[in-house]
Amino acid sequence: GAGVSQSPSNKVTEKGKDVELRCDPISGHTALYWYRQSLGQGLEFLIYFQGNSAPDKSGLPSDRFSAERTGGSVSTLTIQRTQQEDSAVYLCASSLNLLNEQFFGPGTRLTVL
Amino acid sequence: KNQVEQSPQSLIILEGKNCTLQCNYTVSPFSNLRWYKQDTGRGPVSLTIMTFSENTKSNGRYTATLDADTKQSSLHITASQLSDSASYICVVSADGNNRLAFGKGNQVVVIP
Repeated sequence: GAGVSQSPSNKVTEKGKDVELRCDPISGHTALYWYRQSLGQGLEFLIYFQGNSAPDKSGLPSDRFSAERTGGSVSTLTIQRTQQEDSAVYLCASSLNLLNEQFFGPGTRLTVL
Repeated sequence: KNQVEQSPQSLIILEGKNCTLQCNYTVSPFSNLRWYKQDTGRGPVSLTIMTFSENTKSNGRYTATLDADTKQSSLHITASQLSDSASYICVVSADGNNRLAFGKGNQVVVIP
């Protein structure tokens, strides 16, 4: 595809349920990032993947959050036992490699009731 | 304390008027600074990138300035259009560090 795509665009879930968010990066981009954007707040770094290196998970807010990147392409962000404070827009970005411009997807708006 | 501070938080301007958005940062050592535009419900899109040696860069009606000594940047929007209504995010990259520091954004609303 021409850009980064994310699915679903919107997700409403009940507190305590698990959710999976998907990101398809730009083909050929080796670096992939997940961010969280809460209302009125700046983007918060969650995790990034670079090639086959171990991901930098230092931004994940709790052990309920995890992410995988299979085959160096598609990534899924999983939030277990969702809480209301998890409600936010989750943005994915990819770049040719680290330090290059990051291109953002449209985001997934997560609402936890 | 956030490493990137933007002001004003929000701004309403009349179509056709100019406006200037401010970004102050403390990120060090500095590598580059980008201004992103984020339309409602969309991901951020890069407008300009500036490195240490660049003072000004334009992209159409958008002109960014950088003063690396005072660690300040501005984004000037000329002859605003309704489509300029968006959040403008200042993003600073540290040298040798792939982590980005994001401002909270300037919310601009252009009214006819």
